[in-house]
Amino acid sequence: GAGVSQSPSNKVTEKGKDVELRCDPISGHTALYWYRQSLGQGLEFLIYFQGNSAPDKSGLPSDRFSAERTGGSVSTLTIQRTQQEDSAVYLCASSLAIPLGTGELFFGEGSRLTVL
Amino acid sequence: GENVEQHPSTLSVQEGDSAVIKCTYSDSASNYFPWYKQELGKGPQLIIDIRSNVGEKKDQRIAVTLNKTAKHFSLHITETQPEDSAVYFCAVSRGAQKLVFGQGTRLTINP
Repeated sequence: GAGVSQSPSNKVTEKGKDVELRCDPISGHTALYWYRQSLGQGLEFLIYFQGNSAPDKSGLPSDRFSAERTGGSVSTLTIQRTQQEDSAVYLCASSLAIPLGTGELFFGEGSRLTVL
Repeated sequence: GENVEQHPSTLSVQEGDSAVIKCTYSDSASNYFPWYKQELGKGPQLIIDIRSNVGEKKDQRIAVTLNKTAKHFSLHITETQPEDSAVYFCAVSRGAQKLVFGQGTRLTINP
């Protein structure tokens, strides 16, 4: 596609349920990132993929969070047993190249998660 | 780890005036400093970036200045227009693969 595509754009769930958020990066982009943006806050790094491997998972808040990427393309961020503090906008971004600065980071429009 | 402080958190200027947003960082090894603009309901979009071997970069009404010694960099927008109203984020590279973002500045341009 023309840009980074994320789905769903909005998700409302009940506390304790599992959710899956999907990111479809720009075709050919090898690097893929997940960030979290809480209300009125900056962007918090969660995880990054180079191809299908995740060299840096240091930002995942707890073991309830996991992510995978298959075929060097689509990525899924899974949150198990959601809590109210998980409510945020989850942003995905992709880049053609590493290191950063040699390729622009392109963001999707985000998935807004609300946990009731 | 890298700590990025961004000021001010909100900024309101009259149309046609200039706006300046500043960021400071802690890791002297950082070498890439982008600025992103986020409009309501959209993802952040890169507007300008600078690398550590350059002190200033300009693109039409937007400029970024970098002081590596003092570890701070600034975004300058001149002749502001209503469409400049948005949230602006600075970011700093941590290693070759990660960006650490500031907390954001909500810029409002008053007609």
